[in-house]
Formats: sequence, structure tokens, C-alpha cells
Amino acid sequence: EPEVTQTPSHQVTQMGQEVILRCVPISNHLYFYWYRQILGQKVEFLVSFYNNEISEKSEIFDDQFSVERPDGSNFTLKIRSTKLEDSAMYFCASRALTGGRTDTQYFGPGTRLTVL
Amino acid sequence: AQSVTQPDIHITVSEGASLELRCNYSYGATPYLFWYVQSPGQGLQLLLKYFSGDTLVQGIKGFEAEFKSSQSSFNLRKPSVHWSDAAEYFCAVVLRAGGTSYGKLTFGQGTILTVHP
Repeated sequence: EPEVTQTPSHQVTQMGQEVILRCVPISNHLYFYWYRQILGQKVEFLVSFYNNEISEKSEIFDDQFSVERPDGSNFTLKIRSTKLEDSAMYFCASRALTGGRTDTQYFGPGTRLTVL
Repeated sequence: AQSVTQPDIHITVSEGASLELRCNYSYGATPYLFWYVQSPGQGLQLLLKYFSGDTLVQGIKGFEAEFKSSQSSFNLRKPSVHWSDAAEYFCAVVLRAGGTSYGKLTFGQGTILTVHP
């Protein structure tokens, strides 16, 4: 069964450093998402991406964050200058473009980001 | 305010016992409703979803959920829990229409299920 993959599974970085989290969505999917979950808190929406542009972003997704689909398979989340509060589990998700908002979003296993 | 609430942070049941995990939502119109499960080290896996029609929805792994409009609830149930069901369960919604929401999921807090042998 096709699945969403994410690398790395765990990333440790120093405050102020740039990090890039990578995701490979399911191959025929067209909508892509990033969510995050700070330890002990809800899973929160960060951004959605369709047709090579951001379709929606949350208040969390400020100028320090960017997303890119550099080739036909990868979908990346970049944090330009990490803060302690960026420590969280980051989930990538993708969905097809068939039934619209009712389509299932398939999630990757997550990348745990630790900012020291 | 629009929200999804899972009142129980942690539930413990014995293997073979029945299970009900609660989810309430507060939206102007009934959203699309989902239950996801997250096992340790795994991503979020969809258990079931409700859009319309029959208010009792069957999902994978023997789970079902019942939509009750009058109570704004979408509770997840399983008649007999197995040790492998130990995980964290998330209720989530997607707005039906309007705005610029491109199907983003809004999640509840999650309920951690512990299963005793």
C-alpha cells in the first residue's frame, strides 16, 4: 500500500539554525499539508499546498517557515532560524483530488524536531 | 468559538472490555468528521469518517462511531478491545464549505488508550 514517508525521523538542531524536513507524498496525490504537534498539545495545521503554491496557512506559519516541492516527489518544510518553541513532531500529509474535502489525508510517521 | 473537544485525556480499559471515546464539536454547521489513531512511532492512520447518511459509521480494526447531531458528538466505540488497540486517538473535523479551507484538519486534544491484560 502506498504511504507517505518522512526524513529524518529525528532532527536535533541548535537554536538559530536552519532545518529542512523532507516528505515524499503518495505519488498521485495533489494536495500536501504540514501539521505539527508540540508535546502534550493538539496536532495543529501549518500549511496546505496545491498546484505549486500555498493554498492556506495558519498563524503559526510565519516568515520563518517555507514550503517547497523542488521536484516531482519531495515536499519540504524549511524553518529558517529555529526557536526553542519550534520543538515538536512535524507531520506531512497528502491527499488525492477526487472527492474534495472528504478525501482522506494520509499521514507520514513524523519528524521529531528538537531545538536546543 | 469553533472547536473540537475530546474530554478524556487518558482512558484505561481491560482487554476484552468495551470502549467509548468521546468527541464533541462546536461549529455553525456540521463539519466532516474523522477519527485517527496514532500508535507509537507511527503516523496518523484514519479509522473512519462521516460525511452524511447513516449516522453509524463502520471503520477499520472493528471500530465504529456514531454521529449525533443533537449532541454535536461523534463518539468512537469498540465492543471488545484488544491489547494492540493501545494508542492515541484523535477526533478531527474538516469544514464542509466556505472560506479558503482546503480540507485542513482541525484536531481534538487526543485520548491516550491504555489496555490492561
